[in-house]
Amino acid sequence: AQSVTQLDSQVPVFEEAPVELRCNYSSSVSVYLFWYVQYPNQGLQLLLKYLSGSTLVKGINGFEAEFNKSQTSFHLRKPSVHISDTAEYFCAVSRVQGAQKLVFGQGTRLTINP
Amino acid sequence: EAGVAQSPRYKIIEKRQSVAFWCNPISGHATLYWYQQILGQGPKLLIQFQNNGVVDDSQLPKDRFSAERLKGVDSTLKIQPAKLEDSAVYLCASSQQENTEAFFGQGTRLTVV
Repeated sequence: AQSVTQLDSQVPVFEEAPVELRCNYSSSVSVYLFWYVQYPNQGLQLLLKYLSGSTLVKGINGFEAEFNKSQTSFHLRKPSVHISDTAEYFCAVSRVQGAQKLVFGQGTRLTINP
Repeated sequence: EAGVAQSPRYKIIEKRQSVAFWCNPISGHATLYWYQQILGQGPKLLIQFQNNGVVDDSQLPKDRFSAERLKGVDSTLKIQPAKLEDSAVYLCASSQQENTEAFFGQGTRLTVV
């Protein structure tokens, strides 16, 4: 079975500073990886996904993530954050083959301070 | 393109009452998911449909939760009877196929008192 660990439950940063949200996964088979964002009282919105190919994936709102198979990580980065990036961020994994259940991490709350 | 629609947005019930949530997925999406998101936690998959068949319901508390997907389109999730620990946001999502991007609705926030 797959599992996801988000290493930080909360990350406070100042506006215009860079940020990295960490995600590690565990799986015995090949996986797809996702980052979702959840704004207050909203559903989840896909930021980016890794299916195959280049390990550096670019998403919406200036976010990017790098798939590292040897370290089983998929960390999310943004070089300069804005107040509007304040939200909960979820890393998720699904199997490439077989039952593709989407499994989520516990989430990281990103707080941007002015 | 219309997104995933869920209703109601909010629901407050007393314990031991029953409640039902409705979800209309994106047109043409074969896969439909129901997730439970307890405050401060990540979403947990309750049930996954492929068309109108169940793919995974291993984490659905079947003694009180039930779900159906009528004609492979709309879906309802029911809780009967509700417990205090069922207080959560119930998210519906859909995708074209099992391993493609899932699109989420805004969720139904259930409070059991």
